[in-house]
Amino acid sequence: ELKVEQNPLFLSMQEGKNYTIYCNYSTTSDRLYWYRQDPGKSLESLFVLLSNGAVKQEGRLMASLDTKARLSTLHITAAVHDLSATYFCAVDGTSGSRLTFGEGTQLTVNP
Amino acid sequence: DGGITQSPKYLFRKEGQNVTLSCEQNLNHDAMYWYRQDPGQGLRLIYYSQIVNDFQKGDIAEGYSVSREKKESFPLTVTSAQKNPTAFYLCASSIVIQHYEQYFGPGTRLTVT
Repeated sequence: ELKVEQNPLFLSMQEGKNYTIYCNYSTTSDRLYWYRQDPGKSLESLFVLLSNGAVKQEGRLMASLDTKARLSTLHITAAVHDLSATYFCAVDGTSGSRLTFGEGTQLTVNP
Repeated sequence: DGGITQSPKYLFRKEGQNVTLSCEQNLNHDAMYWYRQDPGQGLRLIYYSQIVNDFQKGDIAEGYSVSREKKESFPLTVTSAQKNPTAFYLCASSIVIQHYEQYFGPGTRLTVT
């Protein structure tokens, strides 16, 4: 059974600081997705990582994938309040078209 | 505009009643999914369908039923057998070519009292 673990689950940081969210998964996969969820809202796709060494950047967020280590990171640079949200990683396992989601990391950026 | 619609946004029901949540997509996606999210929790897969007239149970299918009679529609029925149905329900779809990036609808918040 594929397991996806994120850490930390809760992250409170100051504006302007840098931090990294980690997503570990338990079985072989070379497809990983990051989503953002604002309170009370649906999920919004952020990044699609499709191969070992893939790196994607959008604004202050950068995601990377290391399939050998079964690890993806979401790096936040110079955080701003607008980045406050819950971030989920999801892994495309071997059982058809379903994704397995991590528990989510609730990020709060304080002024 | 292409997208996924879910209705209603909020739904209130009495215990013991079945209720059906609507999910429609005009993205021409093959696969559709239903997730449940409880407060402060992640997503749990209820059912998914990769093709019309076929669907598979997810991790928490008990007390739920689905149908997939049309490519664009994947309604979810929450039956009276579901012990704790109050939750946020999310529908998603994916194209199922090369990879399975899922696109999510706005969600339905179901409250059962």
